[in-house]
Order: sequence, then structure tokens, then C-alpha cells
Amino acid sequence: QITLKESGPTLVKPTQTLTLTCTFSGFSLSTSGVGVGWIRQPPGKALEWLGIIYWNDDTRYSPSLKSRLTITKDTSTNQVVLTMTSMDPVDTATYYCAQGIRGSTPYFDPWGQGTLVTVSS
Amino acid sequence: SYELTQPPSVSVSPGQTASITCSGDKLGNKYTCWYQQKVGQSPVLVIYKDNKRPSGIPERFSGSNSGNTATLTISGTQAMDEADYYCQAWDSNTVIFGGGTKLTVL
Repeated sequence: QITLKESGPTLVKPTQTLTLTCTFSGFSLSTSGVGVGWIRQPPGKALEWLGIIYWNDDTRYSPSLKSRLTITKDTSTNQVVLTMTSMDPVDTATYYCAQGIRGSTPYFDPWGQGTLVTVSS
Repeated sequence: SYELTQPPSVSVSPGQTASITCSGDKLGNKYTCWYQQKVGQSPVLVIYKDNKRPSGIPERFSGSNSGNTATLTISGTQAMDEADYYCQAWDSNTVIFGGGTKLTVL
């Protein structure tokens, strides 16, 4: 059974840096074709892809957020970390991590439960 | 940048067939997947590679993709299928999500 769980602060102040950790089990990030992606969803709005890191350290980011994002992995602890700088109230959202399967169109299955991050002073 | 367009809402009567579309330039040349998100829950993959169902997804969910439009079809729609549905594709090294469609079963 594959599970993922996001953890990190629920409240951050504007201009601060957000660090979220995705802890997963049931698969290995050493397996070819496997990755972990990050997706967010502002309250009442659509899903927005942030980025993905693959087993071979290949990392892709949303072009609109690329300058603010860093995704790293620790295969030994089964964790992936998302760092987002210069947080703003518009970044208030539920942040999800999900197992990513590489292909001509990568897809995400399953997803974590998500963690709501509020940006406010 | 590449965009995927979905209707904001679709309504269907129980037992009938629901079709949710996702439009994008030459979308038929890309694989598309679909996610179901019920209120207060995380998204669940229901279709990948245009028409493949993950294990555990009922057979009433099917997908197609041709030209500029991908379609998620739910046959014999049940009340439990009421949810938001998102299409997703890949373009220029970027994952793209559609804006989502709220399916109402009434």
C-alpha cells in the first residue's frame, strides 16, 4: 500500500520561506520511472502543479514559480522536501504531494491528504 | 502557454451517462489523465493514458481523446460520482491541469 503525507507549518508570514516535507511509504524513489510531485489548490479553486522530482534527480518546475521553488529528495528516509521562497497571501492553499509516474504524460497516483498553508501576518 | 479548458459544471440524472470534456490545442497528440475530487478529499486518479483505468476504479469510468478534445465518460452515473473532475496533460516539460468541472447528480 502506497501512502504519502505532507507536513510543515500551517501558518507562515508574508516574505517568509515555506518548507514542506512529504514522507512516503510503499514505493522507492530509487525505482526507475518513479517520482514525487507537488500540487497545490487555493481554497475553492483549481489544482496547480508546482513541480516533480524523479528517481534520477531530474527535477521539473512550474515555469511561473520556478524562481521560488526547490524540490529535493532523501531516498534513505523516503522524504521529499518542497521549499518555496517569498511567500505571499496568494500562496494560501492546500499543498499536496503525490507519487508521480513518468511517461509521455506523467500522472499522479496516489495523493497525500494535503496540508493547508495560510499566509498571513 | 498551453491551456486546458473544461466546462465549469455538468449535470446528470442518476443512471444516465455523464460526459465531461477537456479541450486543448492538438490535445489528441498527448496523453490525458483525469482526477476525481470529492468535497474535502484529495484527488483520485480515475483515468490515465487517455483511457486506462487504475485498479479499483469502476468500469463505468472511461476516457477518450481525439483532435482537440479529451472526454471523461461516466456510464450509469451514481450519486457517489458527484465531485469535481480535473483533466491533466503535459506540454513543454510542464504539467497542465484543467480548471475543473463540477459534476452534479440530480
